[in-house]
Amino acid sequence: EVQLVESGGGLVQPGGSLRLSCAASRFTFSRYWMNWVRQAPGKGLEWVANIKQDGSEKYYMDSVKGRFTISRDNAKNSLYLQMNSLRAEDTAVYYCARGAIVDYASGNNWFDPWGQGTLVTVSS
Amino acid sequence: DIVMTQSPDSLAVSLGERATINCKSSQSVFYSSNNKNYLAWFQQKPGQPPKLLIYWASTRDSGVPDRFSGSGSGTDFTLTISSLQAEDVAVYYCQQYYSTPYTFGQGTKLEIK
Repeated sequence: EVQLVESGGGLVQPGGSLRLSCAASRFTFSRYWMNWVRQAPGKGLEWVANIKQDGSEKYYMDSVKGRFTISRDNAKNSLYLQMNSLRAEDTAVYYCARGAIVDYASGNNWFDPWGQGTLVTVSS
Repeated sequence: DIVMTQSPDSLAVSLGERATINCKSSQSVFYSSNNKNYLAWFQQKPGQPPKLLIYWASTRDSGVPDRFSGSGSGTDFTLTISSLQAEDVAVYYCQQYYSTPYTFGQGTKLEIK
């Protein structure tokens, strides 16, 4: 079964940094777009960023541009999210989610599967 | 950005009855070059990640019970559960993947009446 496992969440002070990781297994990681999606406590889902199979294209939601960086290491089957200048409003469970279509040229495909998520809390 | 608006925000339906959730996008998510609507539906239960139910607006994902169906085109979409089961209690989200930023509806909480 395809698996995505996030790690790296925790408590961080406003203005601080955190790096999330997502370990992928049981599928050819290098052939899929990958995404980060977040969910604030008790709130809805919010797409954060995505990255093309070879890392050549990256897209972000406006509120994280310049603060967050998505990256991947296909040799390690891993996805990352470097989060800098964190704010209280970044507090959320962060999910990694695979683009569903293999070898798709565009990132415009649905997300499946999703990891279990890792909680990021930004608070003093 | 494409704004996704679901209705209602919450819904209580009796077991065995039909549940209908609506989703409206602020602009069309239909791509004429491939005749596809870039719209997905997810189910989320407490403490779990979202689970894909429907993609391309009406294609049921593998393993999803056939009581779940999706319909609509352009800007107006519907998720229908034909006969509500106890395990269907969850929050349901629609999502457009037509263009970034990909956006979700606010969610509809489905409960048993």
